[in-house]
Amino acid sequence: DAMVIQNPRYQVTQFGKPVTLSCSQTLNHNVMYWYQQKSSQAPKLLFHYYDKDFNNEADTPDNFQSRRPNTSFCFLDIRSPGLGDAAMYLCATSEGLASTDTQYFGPGTRLTVL
Amino acid sequence: AQTVTQSQPEMSVQEAETVTLSCTYDTSENNYYLFWYKQPPSRQMILVIRQEAYKQQNATENRFSVNFQKAAKSFSLKISDSQLGDTAMYFCAFMTGTSYGKLTFGQGTILTVHP
Repeated sequence: DAMVIQNPRYQVTQFGKPVTLSCSQTLNHNVMYWYQQKSSQAPKLLFHYYDKDFNNEADTPDNFQSRRPNTSFCFLDIRSPGLGDAAMYLCATSEGLASTDTQYFGPGTRLTVL
Repeated sequence: AQTVTQSQPEMSVQEAETVTLSCTYDTSENNYYLFWYKQPPSRQMILVIRQEAYKQQNATENRFSVNFQKAAKSFSLKISDSQLGDTAMYFCAFMTGTSYGKLTFGQGTILTVHP
């Protein structure tokens, strides 16, 4: 089945130690998104790629970076994780950016920062 | 700025009964879209239903329907004949016609369906 895959499902890192989260898709969608979902809070968009074009949300901290080496893969890099970065990170994809383009979500990676 | 508010952190319902989840939103835009997403425990979030603001008719998808009250900026989700598999976190979400894919989510409502 075509899907959005996130690895690993659980990630533990140390305070200040760089960490990379991975997302891949078999849907061949143009757009890939990263959302941060803290405990008991709404998912919040960090950034998205439309093909190779990167779009950062204005309030996304500089500590968060992303790479999309090809259509299928997108990575979230956290350069110096702080305790406040512990959260579920959701990857999503869509065909385009129109409201009629359904976003398909992965199962998420839960990040713990020690 | 757009905001989405879900005032019910948790709800429960007996199997086969009907439950309604509430959502209100605030926007100055005229062109927007509303969504309900379902996030089952330890599984990915999926789209349940979508409503275009310019459409007066309420959207329906099988057992799921919405009550869209544009003037009141209210968008509730009704689940009929609740099933155990409906147990999940439900998010109300909003997107404007010019937000280029950005979904604004509410805080979520945890729904538990009891046998």
